[in-house]
Amino acid sequence: AQSVTQPDIHITVSEGASLELRCNYSYGATPYLFWYVQSPGQGLQLLLKYFSGDTLVQGIKGFEAEFKRSQSSFNLRKPSVHWSDAAEYFCAVEGDFGNEKLTFGTGTRLTIIP
Amino acid sequence: DAMVIQNPRYQVTQFGKPVTLSCSQTLNHNVMYWYQQKSSQAPKLLFHYYDKDFNNEADTPDNFQSRRPNTSFCFLDIRSPGLGDAAMYLCATSRIRQGIEAFFGQGTRLTVV
Repeated sequence: AQSVTQPDIHITVSEGASLELRCNYSYGATPYLFWYVQSPGQGLQLLLKYFSGDTLVQGIKGFEAEFKRSQSSFNLRKPSVHWSDAAEYFCAVEGDFGNEKLTFGTGTRLTIIP
Repeated sequence: DAMVIQNPRYQVTQFGKPVTLSCSQTLNHNVMYWYQQKSSQAPKLLFHYYDKDFNNEADTPDNFQSRRPNTSFCFLDIRSPGLGDAAMYLCATSRIRQGIEAFFGQGTRLTVV
């Protein structure tokens, strides 16, 4: 069965600074990987996804993520954060046929300070 | 246009009184998921359907049941809600391994009184 680990429960970053949120996955085959963002009281919004091809994927709101098979990682990055980026970020992995479920990590809460 | 619709958005039920949450989709996706999300926690998968095949997570309480009468609709039944079942319930749909992401509904916030 697949699993996702987000080692950082809470990260605080200054506005304008760079950001990296970590995600490690466990899955035997090629995973489908996602990053979602959730603002307080809101639903889940997809930031970006990786299925195959270029290991550096671009998403919305200036986010990008890099798939590294050798490290089983799919870290999310942004060169310069904005106060509106404060939210909860979830990494997720989708399994293959026979294990076709979408599993979320525990999330990382991002706080932005002026 | 909303593609995954959950009704109602807010549900208040009495302790022990059965309640049903509904989810409909216009995407013709073959996978439908139900997640429970409590405050400041990650969505927790309760079960999912792959077409008509029902897949229950091992730690989903027996108090939670689901029905999928057709491709478009899926229901979550809580037979005897307890205070601990108060949460946001999220429905999502997907076409597995076809290069698209899961689409989420707005959720139903369940309050148990």
